[in-house]
Amino acid sequence: GQNIDQPTEMTATEGAIVQINCTYQTSGFNGLFWYQQHAGEAPTFLSYNVLDGLEEKGRFSSFLSRSKGYSYLLLKELQMKDSASYLCAVMDSNYQLIWGAGTKLIIKP
Amino acid sequence: GAVVSQHPSWVICKSGTSVKIECRSLDFQATTMFWYRQFPKQSLMLMATSNEGSKATYEQGVEKDKFLINHASLTLSTLTVTSAHPEDSSFYICSARGRGDTEAFFGQGTRLTVV
Repeated sequence: GQNIDQPTEMTATEGAIVQINCTYQTSGFNGLFWYQQHAGEAPTFLSYNVLDGLEEKGRFSSFLSRSKGYSYLLLKELQMKDSASYLCAVMDSNYQLIWGAGTKLIIKP
Repeated sequence: GAVVSQHPSWVICKSGTSVKIECRSLDFQATTMFWYRQFPKQSLMLMATSNEGSKATYEQGVEKDKFLINHASLTLSTLTVTSAHPEDSSFYICSARGRGDTEAFFGQGTRLTVV
């Protein structure tokens, strides 16, 4: 079956760095997405990785290793507004998005 | 990025009535639209995928006669929850993808409460 695993919840301190991991097993691979979702709102796009390596975009970076079925989202200089759920999603061979359950990130002052 | 507008943002309806939710792509042609449902503290659950001009493909366990999806144009898809019941109360989100695109853009979501 298809499976996306990510931690349920993480806590970090304002100004610090946090890494959210995602492992996946899917039928085919056409890229991995990270989305941010604040409570009561729709997800917003953060990043897309289809090749191995690190993609940096401001305070957020995303890494992919296809051979390991592994990705992480790295958030630097954490701000209180970064408190949200972070969803990992993989596009399978049918171009369908398979979603992880999301990681709730709690930022403490 | 591309803009997807979903309306209404929230709706309260009486049990037994029907509710229509609209999803519009404002600045691109959405050849594929996805409808999701999200219960509190849970991830998105895909309900159905619709391609313009074709019947929607429903995920297992989703009643197609209850959740009517219409994707009649390249910029509009609608989800109608028929004979709504309190257990249908949820956050419904659409996303739209253009031809050849990998990224899908999300609407703002609709909070449905059935009383």
